[in-house]
Amino acid sequence: GAVVSQHPSRVICKSGTSVKIECRSLDFQATTMFWYRQFPKQSLMLMATSNEGSKATYEQGVEKDKFLINHASLTLSTLTVTSAHPEDSSFYICSAAEVSNSPLHFGNGTRLTVT
Amino acid sequence: SQQGEEDPQALSIQEGENATMNCSYKTSINNLQWYRQNSGRGLVHLILIRSNEREKHSGRLRVTLDTSKKSSSLLITASRAADTASYFCATQPYTGGFKTIFGAGTRLFVKA
Repeated sequence: GAVVSQHPSRVICKSGTSVKIECRSLDFQATTMFWYRQFPKQSLMLMATSNEGSKATYEQGVEKDKFLINHASLTLSTLTVTSAHPEDSSFYICSAAEVSNSPLHFGNGTRLTVT
Repeated sequence: SQQGEEDPQALSIQEGENATMNCSYKTSINNLQWYRQNSGRGLVHLILIRSNEREKHSGRLRVTLDTSKKSSSLLITASRAADTASYFCATQPYTGGFKTIFGAGTRLFVKA
């Protein structure tokens, strides 16, 4: 089945630094990937839609200069949390679909802790 | 933004019992999906039901969809302790593409 690999699984960084999270589709091409954020015991909140070769589409209330998304190829999207602060601490999950009107395949998530 | 609500928010049952979770959504959809998430992990797709389908089965899972009421239910029969997880419904709105919006989720705890 389709596999999405997300790296790193955990990261701890100091306030003010930037963190990059990678999301790769291993055995399929993903023209579109999605980035979600999840707080403890809550649902997934869609942050942005990452489109290969074009700018990401951000959901309302998500700072595009804070959360930089790059979809450089059909198998790789990256999310960079710039100048991270403790309130950015969260679980970030990426996903991708092979074709429209089909299930998403999820990475295992990245637990970000900003100290 | 979240598409809708799920109930119950939490459900605790004995092994062997059935678990029913409900989901409501707000917009017209292409399909509705159910996912499972174990604590601190990514999501695993369970079942997808299209807007022109009313019921779907997969193993011990049964999903119904009522587009007139904008609601769906997930039934897990003969539950096992290993079914303990959070379950989310998710919809792909009828705007094309893959954009998928998640409900609030139900935390299921199955006691052995």
